[in-house]
Amino acid sequence: EAQVTQNPRYLITVTGKKLTVTCSQNMNHEYMSWYRQDPGLGLRQIYYSMNVEVTDKGDVPEGYKVSRKEKRNFPLILESPSPNQTSLYFCASSASRGLDTQYFGPGTRLTVL
Amino acid sequence: QKEVEQDPGPLSVPEGAIVSLNCTYSNSAFQYFMWYRQYSRKGPELLMYTYSSGNKEDGRFTAQVDKSSKYISLFIRDSQPSDSATYLCAMRANSGGYQKVTFGTGTKLQVIP
Repeated sequence: EAQVTQNPRYLITVTGKKLTVTCSQNMNHEYMSWYRQDPGLGLRQIYYSMNVEVTDKGDVPEGYKVSRKEKRNFPLILESPSPNQTSLYFCASSASRGLDTQYFGPGTRLTVL
Repeated sequence: QKEVEQDPGPLSVPEGAIVSLNCTYSNSAFQYFMWYRQYSRKGPELLMYTYSSGNKEDGRFTAQVDKSSKYISLFIRDSQPSDSATYLCAMRANSGGYQKVTFGTGTKLQVIP
């Protein structure tokens, strides 16, 4: 089954404790993105990747890091989480540069205390 | 002012009603328009995709684009309780290189049996 998986699905952590949210896709897609979804603000792109070792900032990259060492994996790293990073996070992948058909993961709900 | 505006709802309708969901946008460069459906505790999934102006129909769903008014709509005929979800509009320009997608904030729809 074609899918994007994320782990963990739920995470409660404390300010400053480094964490990683994993994302993996089994569709051999070149394009992958991370979004955060907040009430009233919608989906905002954090980082995207066009291929292995090629990543770039989206609209809200501050406080986040990513890496793309393998085509299928695109982890999101929060080196020093803060409460304003409490949000619902989605990983997405796409075969096309236009990102018209993005496949989203199930989401990771992160709470930073 | 946001590039894409979408009424957050919630919108409650009886089963069988015709539903109209709308987005307005300010960027005249947008040419590709998408509607995503997001069920509670799930990631968004692509529902409809249209290019430029006009209508596109898929079963009970019709996507309409009016570029002169910078207005897009999604119509749902014979609405069902299973249509209860949040509907996100999304759009992008047709510039060269990487194609960023801008999302609306979503409209929550509830179809009452």
